[in-house]
Amino acid sequence: NAGVTQTPKFQVLKTGQSMTLQCAQDMNHNSMYWYRQDPGMGLRLIYYSASEGTTDKGEVPNGYNVSRLNKREFSLRLESAAPSQTSVYFCASSGTSGRFDEQFFGPGTRLTVL
Amino acid sequence: SQQGEEDPQALSIQEGENATMNCSYKTSINNLQWYRQNSGRGLVHLILIRSNEREKHSGRLRVTLDTSKKSSSLLITASRAADTASYFCATFPGGGNKLTFGTGTQLKVEL
Repeated sequence: NAGVTQTPKFQVLKTGQSMTLQCAQDMNHNSMYWYRQDPGMGLRLIYYSASEGTTDKGEVPNGYNVSRLNKREFSLRLESAAPSQTSVYFCASSGTSGRFDEQFFGPGTRLTVL
Repeated sequence: SQQGEEDPQALSIQEGENATMNCSYKTSINNLQWYRQNSGRGLVHLILIRSNEREKHSGRLRVTLDTSKKSSSLLITASRAADTASYFCATFPGGGNKLTFGTGTQLKVEL
């Protein structure tokens, strides 16, 4: 099992460009999450999907959109990148038994917006 | 906003010593979880303690939870250089549906 995979690992964008971060999990989990991690800030939730077909905003959703393509895949899109979106992005998944379960994280995507 | 706050922010110890990290939170919780993050990597779940539990062990890890003080501690015994990492507490607020992370403790274990 690969667990949670993310692509790409690194990305550099210019202000105003768009891109999609991809995430997939092979653990048959219901819930998937997108976080960003900035120095000294811990992890902040951008969007989550409690189950296939549903998505909800987290703490910092502005400037992002998500798609839960199927049970395995959850993508994060930046429509018009801004320097404030420079961060490390983590995808996570959880829960075959309930929504309070531990979360499994991918290796992250380091995004720099110039 | 941050639900959990870890203390200390940074900790440096010698191999073989014990390391203790503390986490305080603001609201009632369903459970509290501890995660480890090695430099440049994703987070790895260490242990989950439910609101009706007071202590939990997993290998060299011991977690305590005091809901009256809204605090938890993570003890790593007989630390190793490989324990060098950042450690985060995360809470599921009671009635909530999102895990909220603290800002982490950076642990350095020196040979």
